[in-house]
Amino acid sequence: EDKVVQSPLSLVVHEGDTVTLNCSYEVTNFRSLLWYKQEKKAPTFLFMLTSSGIEKKSGRLSSILDKKELFSILNITATQTGDSAVYLCAVGVTSGSRLTFGEGTQLTVNP
Amino acid sequence: DAGVIQSPRHEVTEMGQEVTLRCKPISGHDYLFWYRQTMMRGLELLIYFNNNVPIDDSGMPEDRFSAKMPNASFSTLKIQPSEPRDSAVYFCASSPQANYGYTFGSGTRLTVV
Repeated sequence: EDKVVQSPLSLVVHEGDTVTLNCSYEVTNFRSLLWYKQEKKAPTFLFMLTSSGIEKKSGRLSSILDKKELFSILNITATQTGDSAVYLCAVGVTSGSRLTFGEGTQLTVNP
Repeated sequence: DAGVIQSPRHEVTEMGQEVTLRCKPISGHDYLFWYRQTMMRGLELLIYFNNNVPIDDSGMPEDRFSAKMPNASFSTLKIQPSEPRDSAVYFCASSPQANYGYTFGSGTRLTVV
């Protein structure tokens, strides 16, 4: 059974801090790893990673994948209160189109 | 583009009643997914369609759940009869190709009392 584990499950920081969220996975026939941000409503897409060692960056957010060690990290620098959300990691496989989601990390950024 | 549209946004129903959730995917997206989200189990895939054909329904909890996609612009998820343990947020998502980033709808929050 495909497995995606995120850590920590929750995190409370102050504005301006840098945070690192972790995602490890055990799947058969890995194809891609995706990060989503979920605030009050639907998850919104952040990144899709398919190759090891290549950093994806969008503003203060960045992510990298290690296919040898089977994990990914999501970094957020200079956090703001608007970064408060649940960050979801999901893994896709080559056989089919399903994504398996982790439990998510609840990030709270206090002013 | 209006995104993925789900209706209703909220549904409260009594145990035993039939519930129908609706979804309109983004035009041109060949893949449509139904997910359920609860605090206990997170996001779980129920079923997905490719070009209106159900591909993987292994996540459908039991026979009380059924899903259809009669055309490229509409899908339904039906629960009959509903039970309190079905209470959750049900998301529909669509994608233009396999293993691409999904676009989620706003979800339907279902409460069965």
